[in-house]
Amino acid sequence: SQQGEEDPQALSIQEGENATMNCSYKTSINNLQWYRQNSGRGLVHLILIRSNEREKHSGRLRVTLDTSKKSSSLLITASRAADTASYFCARGAGNNRKLIWGLGTSLAVNP
Amino acid sequence: DAGITQSPRHKVTETGTPVTLRCHQTENHRYMYWYRQDPGHGLRLIHYSYGVKDTDKGEVSDGYSVSRSKTEDFLLTLESATSSQTSVYFCAISASQGPGPYEQYFGPGTRLTVT
Repeated sequence: SQQGEEDPQALSIQEGENATMNCSYKTSINNLQWYRQNSGRGLVHLILIRSNEREKHSGRLRVTLDTSKKSSSLLITASRAADTASYFCARGAGNNRKLIWGLGTSLAVNP
Repeated sequence: DAGITQSPRHKVTETGTPVTLRCHQTENHRYMYWYRQDPGHGLRLIHYSYGVKDTDKGEVSDGYSVSRSKTEDFLLTLESATSSQTSVYFCAISASQGPGPYEQYFGPGTRLTVT
C-alpha cells in the first residue's frame, strides 16, 4: 500500500496534556500535510511541511519531519476537549496534485 | 470554510440504480477531487479534475465516472450502484497558482447507502 501509517490508532488523554501522533511513510515526498476531521464533518487542513523543512509551528501545533526516517509527528500542546477529532497525515509526491492518505489517529480529550 | 457544497448530503438507493453526487465550489479553483472514506481504508481517491473537461482516474475508479462541464461543478456518477459503494463521499478542491505544494479544502460529505 502507498498509504502512510499513523500511530497510535487511538489516543485518549486529559485536558491540558500534550498529544503526540506519528506518521510514517515508505516512499519519497515533497511535502507532508496534517488534517483534522471532527465526527461527521469534512477534513480541515492544519499544517503543511515541505521536505526541506524539519519543524513547523502553528498556534498549539508543532509538526516535525525526519526524511531520513520517513516519519513525521504532530504535537498538540495543552489539549482541549475541542481537539477531540481524528487526525490524518497526507503526503504529497510527484506533481503535488495528489495526496496519499494515512488511516488516521483518533484523539479523545477528556474534560 | 471554503465555499464547497455537496448535494445530496444523505442518500439511500437500491442496488443497480444510477446515482449522481454533485460538488459545487465558489472559489474558482482549478483542481477538484472525489474521495470515498471507509473504516479501515482511510481516504481513497476516486477521480480528480484539473480543469473543465479534464479528468483523471484515482486508485478506486472502477464503477464511477465523473464530469466537469463548468469550473464550479464536479459530478460523480455511480453507473449502477452496488452495496460495496456504500460509503461517505467527500469532494475537495485545491488552488492552482504556481508550483505548489497545495493544501486541499473539503466539502461536508455525502453519506450514501446502497441497499
